Amino acid sequence: NAGVTQTPKFQVLKTGQSMTLQCAQDMNHEYMSWYRQDPGMGLRLIHYSVGAGITDQGEVPNGYNVSRSTTEDFPLRLLSAAPSQTSVYFCASSYQGLSSYEQYFGPGTRLTVT
Amino acid sequence: AQKVTQAQTEISVVEKEDVTLDCVYETRDTTYYLFWYKQPPSGELVFLIRRNSFDEQNEISGRYSWNFQKSTSSFNFTITASQVVDSAVYFCALGSGGSNYKLTFGKGTLLTVNP
Repeated sequence: NAGVTQTPKFQVLKTGQSMTLQCAQDMNHEYMSWYRQDPGMGLRLIHYSVGAGITDQGEVPNGYNVSRSTTEDFPLRLLSAAPSQTSVYFCASSYQGLSSYEQYFGPGTRLTVT
Repeated sequence: AQKVTQAQTEISVVEKEDVTLDCVYETRDTTYYLFWYKQPPSGELVFLIRRNSFDEQNEISGRYSWNFQKSTSSFNFTITASQVVDSAVYFCALGSGGSNYKLTFGKGTLLTVNP
């Protein structure tokens, strides 16, 4: 299993550009989430999904869109990048069950908006 | 609203010292999960433990131990005989409503273990 994969690993955008951060998991997990990590802020939840076709907002959703057309993929779209979106983005997946203990995190995407 | 407070921003110890990382949480949920994750300098997030709100047993795993006290809303993490490889940022997180996919993270504690 590859686990949770994210592409790209690094990205530089100009203000106003749009892009999609890709996230995929091969563990057949129902739940997927996007977090951003800023220095001194911990991780903050952007959006999450409890299954294909179902998404919801987290703590900091503004400026981001998500969709979940398949169980495996959960892309995060930046509509019009702003310098405040400079961050490290982590995708995570999990399943809900008695033996499920953790969210599995991807390696992260480091995004810089100039 | 959920909140996780890690009051210690940075801790520096000498190898072989014991160190405790504090975590205090706030939630109105009766069912919830608490987590600890480690983020080494390489940047990935490494799962350490999950504890559910109904289980106040302390847990020990090798040099790691966790003390969960509902009465004080705390879930502290102790590393015994610290090693240089323990140097990392440690995050405490809270899963609301018993979820493990909507986590509220603390701001993290940077632990530096010096040789």
